[in-house]
Formats: sequence, structure tokens, C-alpha cells
Amino acid sequence: NAGVTQTPKFQVLKTGQSMTLQCAQDMNHEYMSWYRQDPGMGLRLIHYSVGAGITDQGEVPNGYNVSRSTTEDFPLRLLSAAPSQTSVYFCASSYGRGNQPQHFGDGTRLSIL
Amino acid sequence: AQKVTQAQTEISVVEKEDVTLDCVYETRDTTYYLFWYKQPPSGELVFLIRRNSFDEQNEISGRYSWNFQKSTSSFNFTITASQVVDSAVYFCALSELMDSNYQLIWGAGTKLIIKP
Repeated sequence: NAGVTQTPKFQVLKTGQSMTLQCAQDMNHEYMSWYRQDPGMGLRLIHYSVGAGITDQGEVPNGYNVSRSTTEDFPLRLLSAAPSQTSVYFCASSYGRGNQPQHFGDGTRLSIL
Repeated sequence: AQKVTQAQTEISVVEKEDVTLDCVYETRDTTYYLFWYKQPPSGELVFLIRRNSFDEQNEISGRYSWNFQKSTSSFNFTITASQVVDSAVYFCALSELMDSNYQLIWGAGTKLIIKP
């Protein structure tokens, strides 16, 4: 029973590079979301999805893209990495529309040089 | 303005002491949900409790208890007889409706250190 799986766990990028953070869940959850966690701050919502083919912006969407072609997968794309995007990224999933307890992946620690 | 305020940045107590973590929230909605999550030093996020705005009943789960008071917009978390394993960052979060779906807004977290 894998739950929410994020890959990679660590990544170092150079400014301007692009990359995709992968997220997959095996619980048939409708709701999936991406957060970033910066020191001294709580998690901030980047993008979320309430089902396949439906995505929407959260609090800090600039510089990131998402898509949801299947229920299981919700990748996060950094279009042109900037040092300000250095953070720990968490993917989460839940039943419902975001008002249920969320299951989190182990996080991806991303450094942009 | 912060929607979820955890004013205590860090708390340090000796094992077996009781400790209360404060959470104050701000919303205009009548229907909303409040959560507490724990993030131990290993970094994963663990769900502890969910409360909806219509249920003000306090909850107890073992050494953990939660006090929800709508009159003061607070949802405080108490650990009784704290243990070293309780050392973690604890987050309070508010889920409110935005554009027909719910979004989770997090407090900055309280780092709890339990000394042996």
C-alpha cells in the first residue's frame, strides 16, 4: 500500500532549467495538491486538482504548471527554475474537494543554484 | 492579514509536563474545517485531527486533546504528560471554500521540544 509517492526525493537545478516533480497516489482520491514549505512558514498551496482534467491555482502558482490526465498522477512542472523556488515540495491527496484529511508524500527537497 | 496564527514559534518543556499549542484563525465563512498536523524531525506530515465549524465538542485522543471555541476563533491543542517522541513541528490549518472548492491555509507552525 504505497499511498502518495513523490519522486525525486532530492534535486539540484541551475537557474533557468526546467523539471517535473512526479506525484502518484493509489487510493483513488479525487483531490490532489502541491504545496511548498519554506523555513519559518507553513505550507503554501501551489496548485490543486479535484479530478482528472480539472486543475486550479492555489496561493502561489506563478512559475509552476500542473496537469491531471489520470486520477493517479499529478505532476508539477517548473518552467524556468529560479533561486526563489528553492524549497521542500509536498504532494498530497484526499477524498472530496479539499475539506478532508490529506495524505502526504515524503517531500522533494529542491535546490536552485 | 494572517488567516491562521500560531503565535508560539517554539516551545520547550521537560518530559511529563503538559503543554498547549495555540491556534487562532480568521474566516468569514460559516462552514469551514480546522486541522492539526504533526511534522516530526524525519519530515513527513501526519494528520492528527479534523473539526468542522458546526462541531464545537472538544475531543480527547489518549494524551492529546483539542479545544475548539468559535467565540474566540481558536482551536488549541494540548498534550498531557508530554513525551520525547512528541517533539515535532505542529501545524494548524484552515480549510475554507474558495471558488467552489476548498483550499487549505496553514499556520507557520509551532516547534515543540520535549527535553528528557
